[in-house]
Amino acid sequence: AQSVTQLDSQVPVFEEAPVELRCNYSSSVSVYLFWYVQYPNQGLQLLLKYLSGSTLVKGINGFEAEFNKSQTSFHLRKPSVHISDTAEYFCAVTYRGSNYKLTFGKGTLLTVNP
Amino acid sequence: KAGVTQTPRYLIKTRGQQVTLSCSPISGHRSVSWYQQTPGQGLQFLFEYFSETQRNKGNFPGRFSGRQFSNSRSEMNVSTLELGDSALYLCASSWVSPGTNNEQFFGPGTRLTVL
Repeated sequence: AQSVTQLDSQVPVFEEAPVELRCNYSSSVSVYLFWYVQYPNQGLQLLLKYLSGSTLVKGINGFEAEFNKSQTSFHLRKPSVHISDTAEYFCAVTYRGSNYKLTFGKGTLLTVNP
Repeated sequence: KAGVTQTPRYLIKTRGQQVTLSCSPISGHRSVSWYQQTPGQGLQFLFEYFSETQRNKGNFPGRFSGRQFSNSRSEMNVSTLELGDSALYLCASSWVSPGTNNEQFFGPGTRLTVL
């Protein structure tokens, strides 16, 4: 069975600092990987996705993630964060054999302080 | 294009009651998935419907059920509510299959509180 581990439940950073949110997955087959963001009292919004091809994926709002198959990781990065990036971030995985069911990590709360 | 809509947004029920939540997908989307979000368990997959058929199911008791109509609108029902059913219930729609090139679009959720 596939699983997703988000190593940090909370990440506090200062505005304009770089940030990395870590995500590791376990699966014995090829996977599709996603990062979603959830702002307070809202649903989830897709930030970026890795399906195949280039391992560096660029998403919305200046975020990017790198797929590392050997380390089974898909870490999310942003070189300079803003106050408005404060939200919860979820990593998710699926693969063909799962009937495309998404399995989510527990989430990382990113808090950007002035 | 209108997004995924969920009604009601907030709901308060008491133990033992039943509840029905509604989800209207984006026009043209045929796949609808439901998730339960709680602080302790995070986001957990409930089930997915495609063309009125349940295609995928998570590990939830039979008290949780759903259905999809011919217009792709979906409802989920929880019978004999328990305190632990208090959660944010999220609905997501996609064109065909979630998790591939077809992005899942999430609604704002229904916040269910069981007293």
